[in-house]
Amino acid sequence: NAGVTQTPKFRILKIGQSMTLQCTQDMNHNYMYWYRQDPGMGLKLIYYSVGAGITDKGEVPNGYNVSRSTTEDFPLRLELAAPSQTSVYFCASSYSGEANQPQHFGDGTRLSIL
Amino acid sequence: LAKTTQPISMDSYEGQEVNITCSHNNIATNDYITWYQQFPSQGPRFIIQGYKTKVTNEVASLFIPADRKSSTLSLPRVSLSDTAVYYCLVDRGGAGTALIFGKGTTLSVSS
Repeated sequence: NAGVTQTPKFRILKIGQSMTLQCTQDMNHNYMYWYRQDPGMGLKLIYYSVGAGITDKGEVPNGYNVSRSTTEDFPLRLELAAPSQTSVYFCASSYSGEANQPQHFGDGTRLSIL
Repeated sequence: LAKTTQPISMDSYEGQEVNITCSHNNIATNDYITWYQQFPSQGPRFIIQGYKTKVTNEVASLFIPADRKSSTLSLPRVSLSDTAVYYCLVDRGGAGTALIFGKGTTLSVSS
């Protein structure tokens, strides 16, 4: 099993450009999450999904959009990139939202907006 | 969510057992205790999770006393490749509930 796979690993964008961060998991997990991690800070939840076709906002959703057309894929879309979106983005998945179902993370996408 | 407190750093030598203790005084009845490991430029990797008493897997053991106000991650016979940051989390579950990663414990293993 590959687990959670994120692409690309690195990306540099210019202000105002758009891009999609890809995330796919092969564990048949129902729940998927997008976090961002700024230097020296903890993770902040951007969006999450409890199943295909269902998404909801986390604590920092502004400037981002998501879709969940399949169980495996949960792409994150940045529209009109801004310097404040420079961060490391982690995708995670879990079987359910229960506390005894831990989240499993990808290796992240390091994004710089210049 | 219950706040966790763990040492900022620990040093060890190869072959030793390492115990990292985490306090979580305000843990709630339904919360689970989860430990993650993170290497530079990688995502957090799930190590072990428990609710009470002792849990063991192929990587580590987790000891949780009856009052659940603390927990201890035990890594047997560490190697250089165990050098990483270890995070203790209290997981309440629930859709939309973000995991809270503190600063973690930086473990340095030397030969």
